[in-house]
Amino acid sequence: NAGVTQTPKFRILKIGQSMTLQCTQDMNHNYMYWYRQDPGMGLKLIYYSVGAGITDKGEVPNGYNVSRSTTEDFPLRLELAAPSQTSVYFCASSYSRGHNEQFFGPGTRLTVL
Amino acid sequence: DQQVKQNSPSLSVQEGRISILNCDYTNSMFDYFLWYKKYPAEGPTFLISISSIKDKNEDGRFTVFLNKSAKHLSLHIVPSQPGDSAVYFCAASVTYSGAGSYQLTFGKGTKLSVIP
Repeated sequence: NAGVTQTPKFRILKIGQSMTLQCTQDMNHNYMYWYRQDPGMGLKLIYYSVGAGITDKGEVPNGYNVSRSTTEDFPLRLELAAPSQTSVYFCASSYSRGHNEQFFGPGTRLTVL
Repeated sequence: DQQVKQNSPSLSVQEGRISILNCDYTNSMFDYFLWYKKYPAEGPTFLISISSIKDKNEDGRFTVFLNKSAKHLSLHIVPSQPGDSAVYFCAASVTYSGAGSYQLTFGKGTKLSVIP
């Protein structure tokens, strides 16, 4: 199993550009999450999904959109990129809503100039 | 306002000695706590967890202690090994039935360096 995979690994955007961060998991997990980690800070939840077709906002959703059309994929869309969105983005998944460990992808390092 | 605090940004320990990483929390509703380990250029990996109904959980070289009255938990690594060098994140969650259940709130992390 590949676990949680994310693409791209690195990306530089200009202010105002848009992009989609891809996340795929092959563990048949229902729950998926997007976090961002700013330098010297902990991870903050952007959006999460409890299953295909169901998403909800986390702590810092502004400037982002998500969709979940399949169990495996949970893309994160950035519209009108801003320097404040420079961060490392992690996708994670877990089996259920309970206190199960979350499995993280390797991250996407995004710089907005 | 930070609800989960890791006040030591870094910690250096000699190989073979004990590493103690600390975490404090302010939200008394938190009832489940986790530690994650992160190597550079990788995602965090789950290490160990503890429910608020317990005060200790052990897994091999790793033990987590919870002091609910002090709103404090700690991770002990004995003996420390060079491969333990990583950033350790403390995380907490609340069990309730509403939206956002089980969302994790992370601390800023502590960078552990184990010196051979």
